Amino acid sequence: NAGVTQTPKFRVLKTGQSMTLLCAQDMNHEYMYWYRQDPGMGLRLIHYSVGEGTTAKGEVPDGYNVSRLKKQNFLLGLESAAPSQTSVYFCASNSPARGMQETQYFGPGTRLLVL
Amino acid sequence: GENVEQHPSTLSVQEGDSAVIKCTYSDSASNYFPWYKQELGKGPQLIIDIRSNVGEKKDQRIAVTLNKTAKHFSLHITETQPEDSAVYFCAASIRSGGSYIPTFGRGTSLIVHP
Repeated sequence: NAGVTQTPKFRVLKTGQSMTLLCAQDMNHEYMYWYRQDPGMGLRLIHYSVGEGTTAKGEVPDGYNVSRLKKQNFLLGLESAAPSQTSVYFCASNSPARGMQETQYFGPGTRLLVL
Repeated sequence: GENVEQHPSTLSVQEGDSAVIKCTYSDSASNYFPWYKQELGKGPQLIIDIRSNVGEKKDQRIAVTLNKTAKHFSLHITETQPEDSAVYFCAASIRSGGSYIPTFGRGTSLIVHP
């Protein structure tokens, strides 16, 4: 099992450009999450999904959109990148509603630099 | 919503010493408390967790304690080693009847000096 994978690993964007970050999991998890991590701020939830075709806003959703068309994939989109979106982005997945499976499995992260 | 406070933000110890990281939570309905370790350049990984029906749990050199009355839980690492150097995150979530979405603390950077 690959677990949770993220594509790309690193990206540089210019202000105003758009991009999509891809997260894939092969553990048949129901829930998927996108976090951003900035120095001293911990992990802040951007959006999450509790199942295929569903999405919900987290703590810091502005400037991001997401889609969960397939159960194993969760896409994070930046329509018009801003320097404030420079961060490390982590995807995670779990199945908390299925017995005692609350443990989140995280991907390796995507480093995004917006100039 | 849930609020999780984590202290200290940085902890520096000598190899062989013990390290303690503390977290408090605000929602008495929270009943699942995981701890994650994040090594440099990697994603967080679960190291230990505890549920609200248990007061303490140990796994070799690490242990977690939970005080439901005071709404705080702590991570204890004994006989620290340089490879324990990392950022540690606590979290709290509600397993049943709620959204299951965990709330994280801001993290503690543990530095173990050889």
